[in-house]
Amino acid sequence: AQKITQTQPGMFVQEKEAVTLDCTYDTSDPSYGLFWYKQPSSGEMIFLIYQGSYDQQNATEGRYSLNFQKARKSANLVISASQLGDSAMYFCAMRDDGSSNTGKLIFGQGTTLQVKP
Amino acid sequence: DARVTQTPRHKVTEMGQEVTMRCQPILGHNTVFWYRQTMMQGLELLAYFRNRAPLDDSGMPKDRFSAEMPDATLATLKIQPSEPRDSAVYFCASGLYFGTVWFGPGTRLTVT
Repeated sequence: AQKITQTQPGMFVQEKEAVTLDCTYDTSDPSYGLFWYKQPSSGEMIFLIYQGSYDQQNATEGRYSLNFQKARKSANLVISASQLGDSAMYFCAMRDDGSSNTGKLIFGQGTTLQVKP
Repeated sequence: DARVTQTPRHKVTEMGQEVTMRCQPILGHNTVFWYRQTMMQGLELLAYFRNRAPLDDSGMPKDRFSAEMPDATLATLKIQPSEPRDSAVYFCASGLYFGTVWFGPGTRLTVT
């Protein structure tokens, strides 16, 4: 069965510093996708970054990068040069894309990030 | 600018009333998800569809919830009868077979 774990309920980071949000996952399917979403206080779910299980390179999108360690089953989000606007809840998610191909997308419990000026 | 749309954005209703939430997925997307978000439970997957066929609705209370896709441009989530514990934000999301999944703005439901 799929499982996503985010062990950090809350984190603080100083403005302009980098921060890593942890995410571990479990699946028996060799083909899957990993996602990170941001949810600011306004409530919308904003897609940040996607990593496929067969992608050789770690995904990057601007200040966001996904540190994908397949053997450890971890998919940590790294935010470089934090800004005050990065304060939000961050969700890690996984979708099984393999032979079962159910496409089911499940989420972790989220990490609240607060950026301090 | 393609996006997932949801209506209504806010809904306040009394216990026992029927609630219908609607979602228009991004044109061409073949997978649609319904999630419920509460402080206590986080983001729960209620149901999802691929090519309009329901793949999994095990997260949905079957006695009062139902989800359908009458056509490729409309997904609906109904609660009948509604209860105070159904108060939550309901998100619809859509995507293709692989790749990014995009979320709608959500429907904030309050059942009094």
